[in-house]
Amino acid sequence: EIVLTQSPGTLSLSSGERATLSCRASQSIGSRYLAWYQQRPGQAPRLLIYAVSNRATGIPDRFSGSGSGTDFTLTISRLEPEDFAMYFCQHYGSSPPLSFGGGTKVEMK
Amino acid sequence: EVQLVESGGGLVKPGGSLRLSCAASGFTFSSYTINWVRQAPGKGLEWVSSISTTSAYIHYADSLKGRFTISRDNAKNSVYLQMNSLRAEDTAVYYCARHLTDFWSGPDAFDVWGQGTVVTVS
Repeated sequence: EIVLTQSPGTLSLSSGERATLSCRASQSIGSRYLAWYQQRPGQAPRLLIYAVSNRATGIPDRFSGSGSGTDFTLTISRLEPEDFAMYFCQHYGSSPPLSFGGGTKVEMK
Repeated sequence: EVQLVESGGGLVKPGGSLRLSCAASGFTFSSYTINWVRQAPGKGLEWVSSISTTSAYIHYADSLKGRFTISRDNAKNSVYLQMNSLRAEDTAVYYCARHLTDFWSGPDAFDVWGQGTVVTVS
């Protein structure tokens, strides 16, 4: 089973700043089967990015994904107040089980 | 509106059973694999199980050790999770979530999520 490690655990930033979140896989997962989710307190997760770099429907272009192999990044170019939340990466390879990272909390500085 | 609505959560004693339901609306339910994902209090997300469109492909997390059973009824636009021999560590919010890609039974990202149902084992 592939283990995903997200860093940092918490990111303290201000509105308008750039956020860079990391997701590292325990082994290479190629360049395709990686997704990112946002979860606000008390809400269900929301798909932001799939297949490493594709924005889901309705996701603003300030969110972008990149990476390959074992290292993947979610970038939020300019933080809006509603972007302060938890973020999870997910690997969905060729067969189950699916795995999620432990999450990064983006909090207001 | 595309929607998934979970129900059936509650308080149950260790060793007990519970059946969760996930009702879909606003899309062609029979075209999508559906998943259950859980989140323990203050913790991350854990994939639990998935069921393909015709129930031909069913998968579970290894940690469940045969205690949970997923099923679906396409006539009722619903997916179910039968949970037996419940333990304290099964306490979580249980979400159902739809595969991003229709007619795909392999692993996928999840683009539609329900609001979750709370299961407490105590």
